[in-house]
Amino acid sequence: EIVLTQSPGTLSLSPGERATLSCRASQSVDSSYLAWYQQKPGQAPRLLIYGASSRATGIPDRFSGSGSGTDFTLTISRLEPEDFAVYYCQQYGSSPLTFGQGTKLEIK
Amino acid sequence: QVQLVQSGAEVKKPGASVKVSCKASGYTFTSYYLHWVRQAPGQGLVWMGLINPSGGSTSYAQKFQGRVTMTRDTSTSTVYMELSSLRSEDTAVYYCARKQLGTPFDYWGQGTLVTVSS
Repeated sequence: EIVLTQSPGTLSLSPGERATLSCRASQSVDSSYLAWYQQKPGQAPRLLIYGASSRATGIPDRFSGSGSGTDFTLTISRLEPEDFAVYYCQQYGSSPLTFGQGTKLEIK
Repeated sequence: QVQLVQSGAEVKKPGASVKVSCKASGYTFTSYYLHWVRQAPGQGLVWMGLINPSGGSTSYAQKFQGRVTMTRDTSTSTVYMELSSLRSEDTAVYYCARKQLGTPFDYWGQGTLVTVSS
C-alpha cells in the first residue's frame, strides 16, 4: 500500500498570499496518477488537479500542481477567501487507492 | 448533468447492518466504476472498495473485507454498499464517487451520514 504523507498539517496564511502544500509518497506513484482535492465543511471533496499537474474542468489557474515519483506539490498562487479549506492528495495508480491525511488551510 | 444521489442518514445499533444507495444519472451507468469512500468525523478519507456496474465485479479494501458488500441494479442505475457488524468506529459519512481506469474521482455523491450508537 502506498502511504501518502501531507505537510504541513495546518497552514495559516492571509488572502493574497501564496500557499505551498506537500504530499510525499512511500513509493513511486505510477504514471503520476496523483490527484488533489479540496474539501469544505459539510461538502464532498472536489477534484482540483489530476495527473499531478493537470487542472480539472473549471478550476482557476491560481491552482497548480507539480512533482513526480514520490514528491508532489500543490501551489495556490494568490489565496482567495474561498480557498480556505482542507486539501487532500490521492494516488489512483495502484490498489488500494490511498489518500493523504489532509492539510488544513486556515485564515491567519 | 452528471449526478450521484445518495440515500439519507441512518442511525444503527452496534452489530446491525446498514445499506446505503447511490443513484447515478447524466451518463452511461456502465461506463464508470463506482467507488465508496468514508470519512469519520474530523478525519480523513478512506477508500473502501469499488464495483464495476457493467459486470458487477467488486474489489474491497482489506480493512473491510468480510464486512462490506457492494452491489448494483442496472435497471435503476443504482449501486449499494452494505456494511455489517457495525461498531461505533463505523460512524462516518459514506461517499460514492465515479472513476474510470487511470482517472481520478471526478464526481462524488453528497454523502450519507451513518451513526452507530446504542
